[in-house]
Amino acid sequence: ETGVTQTPRHLVMGMTNKKSLKCEQHLGHNAMYWYKQSAKKPLELMFVYSLEERVENNSVPSRFSPECPNSSHLFLHLHTLQPEDSALYLCASSQEEYTSDTQYFGPGTRLTVL
Amino acid sequence: GDSVTQMEGPVTLSEEAFLTINCTYTATGYPSLFWYVQYPGEGLQLLLKATKADDKGSNKGFEATYRKETTSFHLEKGSVQVSDSAVYFCALSGGGSNYKLTFGKGTLLTVNP
Repeated sequence: ETGVTQTPRHLVMGMTNKKSLKCEQHLGHNAMYWYKQSAKKPLELMFVYSLEERVENNSVPSRFSPECPNSSHLFLHLHTLQPEDSALYLCASSQEEYTSDTQYFGPGTRLTVL
Repeated sequence: GDSVTQMEGPVTLSEEAFLTINCTYTATGYPSLFWYVQYPGEGLQLLLKATKADDKGSNKGFEATYRKETTSFHLEKGSVQVSDSAVYFCALSGGGSNYKLTFGKGTLLTVNP
């Protein structure tokens, strides 16, 4: 069961490209999250949105730019990335932000920066 | 700040073996504790959770008990299957004013037939 979808599933881009990751949740949740999953490291929370307003920016470089046009959709716009940004980017949603509610994750976008 | 430490993998077992993956935590307040599982090529799924001390979470034959005295939430299963091969993440959602999910690094489990 997955109520959270992400596209594309795989993305290869050069350091000068601009691309966007898309996340959609079909669960009626109010909060959405972007995480970065790198090998051998814990998941890193990047951004949190609640009812389309950003409530957290976890010291993420400006080359990552989130957008939440409505409570069901979340984008991550990418520009001038570095090779160390290669990772699995996971989107998640929960009923409310920052509660003990379960977070539901999408399958992720595997990003490779050349 | 809050932190989660789980045993380093990879863990390789034969089918029907007993599984334990250790998890300890540091947190202020009274956190909720979670185990998430990530199957190959997929996102994380909640496996089980416990919200207060001495609670036992269980699902699909997996169990974990919230031990406040030892600040632990070890994952166990009596008889693993090949289909249990995945990465397992221990996580906490802190008490007080901080409810962010804090994850451990994950433990890769491989179960051989």
